[in-house]
Amino acid sequence: EADIYQTPRYLVIGTGKKITLECSQTMGHDKMYWYQQDPGMELHLIHYSYGVNSTEKGDLSSESTVSRIRTEHFPLTLESARPSHTSQYLCASSEMGNQPQHFGDGTRLSIL
Amino acid sequence: SQQGEEDPQALSIQEGENATMNCSYKTSINNLQWYRQNSGRGLVHLILIRSNEREKHSGRLRVTLDTSKKSSSLLITASRAADTASYFCATDAVETSGSRLTFGEGTQLTVNP
Repeated sequence: EADIYQTPRYLVIGTGKKITLECSQTMGHDKMYWYQQDPGMELHLIHYSYGVNSTEKGDLSSESTVSRIRTEHFPLTLESARPSHTSQYLCASSEMGNQPQHFGDGTRLSIL
Repeated sequence: SQQGEEDPQALSIQEGENATMNCSYKTSINNLQWYRQNSGRGLVHLILIRSNEREKHSGRLRVTLDTSKKSSSLLITASRAADTASYFCATDAVETSGSRLTFGEGTQLTVNP
């Protein structure tokens, strides 16, 4: 059973809308991550966090922003969605940075 | 540049056969991990092998690591249809130690009943 939850699972929305993808974990992990993954392709790290009030940009440049006000919650926001943002977004957490990561089932985002 | 590259990109076998997937990486690592991803789902951690280990087993999984060649392999023995999934390697590189994992491109495994 997954202890990390992402909502919504699917989202189809028009260009220019503000979007927030939710991610919550119940394991008390300090490290959390957001990845972008196109179908059948590799994962690209877009944001990560070491803990509360800590956020860092990942390897892939992204127009999204994140916040970490509570340990269990790591939402990702797109201020103005564009078709180029269409992708799957995966959230993960881990106890330490080099330890196994636990993944949510992702949000499949389609921008029309 | 991509830290992990996997080979083959796709593999199709019959139930009961063994499946071998390979991963190559570029920089020194602390550990290497293998994950499975079923269609439409998140990744699930399978096994972690540290840089000072050469082989590790977990059930039907066997992972080897050759740090001199910067490569790892994942062997699934006696495969089942339920093993159909994408398999990714991920490295904890020394240069980014403890901050993140870098994932490979994945191998799509299809096990035919």
